[in-house]
Amino acid sequence: NAGVTQTPKFQVLKTGQSMTLQCAQDMNHEYMSWYRQDPGMGLRLIHYSVGAGITDQGEVPNGYNVSRSTTEDFPLRLLSAAPSQTSVYFCASSPREGLYEQYFGPGTRLTVT
Amino acid sequence: GDSVTQMEGPVTLSEEAFLTINCTYTATGYPSLFWYVQYPGEGLQLLLKATKADDKGSNKGFEATYRKETTSFHLEKGSVQVSDSAVYFCALSLTQGGSEKLVFGKGTKLTVNP
Repeated sequence: NAGVTQTPKFQVLKTGQSMTLQCAQDMNHEYMSWYRQDPGMGLRLIHYSVGAGITDQGEVPNGYNVSRSTTEDFPLRLLSAAPSQTSVYFCASSPREGLYEQYFGPGTRLTVT
Repeated sequence: GDSVTQMEGPVTLSEEAFLTINCTYTATGYPSLFWYVQYPGEGLQLLLKATKADDKGSNKGFEATYRKETTSFHLEKGSVQVSDSAVYFCALSLTQGGSEKLVFGKGTKLTVNP
């Protein structure tokens, strides 16, 4: 049982480039979410999904897209990277019955120059 | 809106010292409350939770009591260890647009010295 996995661990992008952060979970959890963590800001919700085929925006969705074609995978796409998107990104999942007990991945540290 | 305020860090303690990290919240209705811990280089892990007033959550020697009258959920541990060095996040549940989400505080970094 690998839990929540994220790739890559580190990434450097130039302004305007696009990329996809991968997230997968093997616990058959319905709920998945993406957060960004910035110094002094705590964690802020970007997008979330309550099940395959269903996604919704969180607190800071601009500049990011998501899709949920399977229960296991929830990729986060940066369409045109900006320096303001330099952050640590965490993916999380939880079973529907324990919605708030989220299991977090190890994070992706993204730098946009 | 709903929010969580926790004490600013960093907090530095010696081993075996008593720990308190304050957390207060603002919420409509009756949220569930959580403490998450983030060890260096890792993602967050649920440490403890309380789902209604006067509930006490506990785990690994840490405790927190849901106090509705003071809207607080302070984290305490009687004797900290070096291995407790981490960032601690207080969080509450939030129902928004028919969906349930977590709202996190900004985190408090704890360093425990031997």
